[in-house]
Amino acid sequence: GENVEQHPSTLSVQEGDSAVIKCTYSDSASNYFPWYKQELGKRPQLIIDIRSNVGEKKDQRIAVTLNKTAKHFSLHITETQPEDSAVYFCARGKLTFGTGTRLQVTL
Amino acid sequence: EAGVVQSPRYKIIEKKQPVAFWCNPISGHNTLYWYLQNLGQGPELLIRYENEEAVDDSQLPKDRFSAERLKGVDSTLKIQPAELGDSAVYLCASSLDLGSGELFFGEGSRLTVL
Repeated sequence: GENVEQHPSTLSVQEGDSAVIKCTYSDSASNYFPWYKQELGKRPQLIIDIRSNVGEKKDQRIAVTLNKTAKHFSLHITETQPEDSAVYFCARGKLTFGTGTRLQVTL
Repeated sequence: EAGVVQSPRYKIIEKKQPVAFWCNPISGHNTLYWYLQNLGQGPELLIRYENEEAVDDSQLPKDRFSAERLKGVDSTLKIQPAELGDSAVYLCASSLDLGSGELFFGEGSRLTVL
């Protein structure tokens, strides 16, 4: 299947700062782009998703933007907190996942 | 309601031994997925079921891996014989169908092959 590239692989921010993670894809047929959070030893859990008919979606401190022309979508976390520390995965549909970004929020 | 249930949570075996993982999806979810997750990597699809039919198994190493979903509910994933490189977490997930609804993951089965 088509790959999803995710960057950066690791990200360290200070508490209160913003974090941005970006994914790119190549399959024009993709129309569903979820983001998952996985804490150490836990299952991946959906935190936000976006469909191709929408450019941006926000849920409290988390937002996702989609640029269909450039074929990339990004996760934005504002006012980061220590509990945001985890590995974040983007996905194309339900079948193809990015390689993950390890976010570390430091005090 | 219980989420996706997997067992065992942990399994340690010697190479060449067989191993089986079991998954009980969320009630009413027609689509069931098995993923492999290596340390530090994203989930990789092994097989997807629509009810009892395997509709996407192109990434399943069929020489040693097999799966079934009898009656379109529970599923088992088997490896025989296991190799050292099979050490990973095997994640099961379910959704209403492929196109709609959230994907729910189980806690995973961590396999260590010695």
